[in-house]
Amino acid sequence: GEDVEQSLFLSVREGDSSVINCTYTDSSSTYLYWYKQEPGAGLQLLTYIFSNMDMKQDQRLTVLLNKKDKHLSLRIADTQTGDSAIYFCAESSVNNAGNMLTFGGGTRLMVKP
Amino acid sequence: DAGVIQSPRHEVTEMGQEVTLRCKPISGHDYLFWYRQTMMRGLELLIYFNNNVPIDDSGMPEDRFSAKMPNASFSTLKIQPSEPRDSAVYFCASGGTEAFFGQGTRLTVV
Repeated sequence: GEDVEQSLFLSVREGDSSVINCTYTDSSSTYLYWYKQEPGAGLQLLTYIFSNMDMKQDQRLTVLLNKKDKHLSLRIADTQTGDSAIYFCAESSVNNAGNMLTFGGGTRLMVKP
Repeated sequence: DAGVIQSPRHEVTEMGQEVTLRCKPISGHDYLFWYRQTMMRGLELLIYFNNNVPIDDSGMPEDRFSAKMPNASFSTLKIQPSEPRDSAVYFCASGGTEAFFGQGTRLTVV
């Protein structure tokens, strides 16, 4: 089945850029997503990219997709302490009926002042 | 719209009791998903509905779990009887290409 992998932890200093990486195995992925989860809260959809795109930018967020290597990244520019959270990568594919998401294990981002 | 609304936010129950989790999706969304989040297994899809019809329930752990969607604005996830290993945060999400999550129900079975 589909598999989505992320590194567990990332620590950056406030003001630096953060890059969170994700790899996936399903070559028929249609959409790839980034969600943010703060403590005690639900998952907040940050952005998503269609699989035929290679980049999407939305304010401080830049998503890069390398479909050949099945590698997705999320870059957060000028990282702030409020960006500290767990970030989940997810994919949906045409193999699933509907828009079933397969999530990675999440990357905990810690931003130091 | 107020977003996906789940209730209760927290539930503590004794082993063997029935637990019912509730979800109100965002109006107009065709898909509704139930996920479970634990430290050990991360986020797991339990079941999802399209236009109130269950499409895939292969993630439901066992027969103790059941889910219904009697209409487009309401869904329930029931566990009967509950066990300590069911302790987790249960999320409901609705949407289509974009899935929006509720705040979750933290279930503790003692």
